[in-house]
Amino acid sequence: SAVISQKPSRDICQRGTSLTIQCQVDSQVTMMFWYRQQPGQSLTLIATANQGSEATYESGFVIDKFPISRPNLTFSTLTVSNLSPEDSSIYLCSVEWGNTEAFFGQGTRLTVV
Amino acid sequence: GQSLEQPSEVTAVEGAIVQINCTYQTSGFYGLSWYQQHDGGAPTFLSYNALDGLEETGRFSSFLSRSDSYGYLLLQELQMKDSASYFCAVSSRGGKLIFGQGTELSVKP
Repeated sequence: SAVISQKPSRDICQRGTSLTIQCQVDSQVTMMFWYRQQPGQSLTLIATANQGSEATYESGFVIDKFPISRPNLTFSTLTVSNLSPEDSSIYLCSVEWGNTEAFFGQGTRLTVV
Repeated sequence: GQSLEQPSEVTAVEGAIVQINCTYQTSGFYGLSWYQQHDGGAPTFLSYNALDGLEETGRFSSFLSRSDSYGYLLLQELQMKDSASYFCAVSSRGGKLIFGQGTELSVKP
């Protein structure tokens, strides 16, 4: 199994600013995934982060808005830039384990005011 | 396109059995998994099916029919703590998960 430490757990940010979310995994993993979950909704994949290469973004998500870093096999950050109220959501990082299951961080609840 | 359909909510009583269905339409398919999420918590893995048939894990079982693009999660001997949202998810290339909209299960005494 994998244990993921994600921080911050929550934040309130002013519109126009940015928030950087960090995820630390207790094991080396090839890929890390970033999801967004709006209140009462499902999880939507933002991007896949591989160490040593640029992240791969899903349709509707762009690097300028959601820059991702993956400096090593246990760590990744997601930045949500130029915040607007529509960015208020829960952001989760995840890793795949054994090609069968995923482990998630506890999530970052972002409120933009 | 890719889509997964599951009921938005289900209500059952303690001790009962409930089945949550999931139908999917995806461009790539490696397996169907199920996740439980309590309010304010992270999704936690319940079960995974790559091949047709039934997988049993304690009170929870999951079924897959690849030819029908259909699966279900079966919860037996329901307990109050089972009240949560349940998501089916398709595993596709590169380890990505595509999630259904979730089923909110309410267990009543």
